[in-house]
Amino acid sequence: QKEVEQNSGPLSVPEGAIASLNCTYSDRGSQSFFWYRQYSGKSPELIMSIYSNGDKEDGRFTAQLNKASQYVSLLIRDSQPSDSATYLCAVNHWYMDSSYKLIFGSGTRLLVRP
Amino acid sequence: ETGVTQTPRHLVMGMTNKKSLKCEQHLGHNAMYWYKQSAKKPLELMFVYSLEERVENNSVPSRFSPECPNSSHLFLHLHTLQPEDSALYLCASSQTAQGIDEQYFGPGTRLTVT
Repeated sequence: QKEVEQNSGPLSVPEGAIASLNCTYSDRGSQSFFWYRQYSGKSPELIMSIYSNGDKEDGRFTAQLNKASQYVSLLIRDSQPSDSATYLCAVNHWYMDSSYKLIFGSGTRLLVRP
Repeated sequence: ETGVTQTPRHLVMGMTNKKSLKCEQHLGHNAMYWYKQSAKKPLELMFVYSLEERVENNSVPSRFSPECPNSSHLFLHLHTLQPEDSALYLCASSQTAQGIDEQYFGPGTRLTVT
């Protein structure tokens, strides 16, 4: 099992719809969870962080965390064409028998159709 | 300058060349990272430097050599690279290296090895 798994997509949604992006992780000890957005040819940009079970809202974005089921999701309300990008999930994971480090998923490509 | 800066933004080098990538963070963070991002692969952590530790991914070839003279600057020295080393190299920084803090990325260096 990969440490952090995401469906590669593409996830295609119409403009104005809710986009739902999911991520599962393998380390039950993980404590920190992050969502990044990456436009083609650009570097990852932090969208949200979440540390506790439940929902965290920031504008059109809502992160959801369920530690018991080991998944974290990102909802984007009122999706816009400018939201079309690859969304990376990152989870802190015990790394090389030394300490916790962020491990990134492969990303889900989101396409918002006008 | 704000955030995390990287130079050069693009680099083309032959397999026998020696070059260096530079990263500088203006966020007052104590940890810095080098990541490699190849097409259709997840971000791969190469090196971590912090006040507490230096962590290396043991799968990184010795032709990549990091240097961290202080908490604001990070270098990646490159020599005798292979074509498969062509990728986007990203620098990031965070408050600590424990994976619990938000990481902020620089714009990246697009490296092409010919």
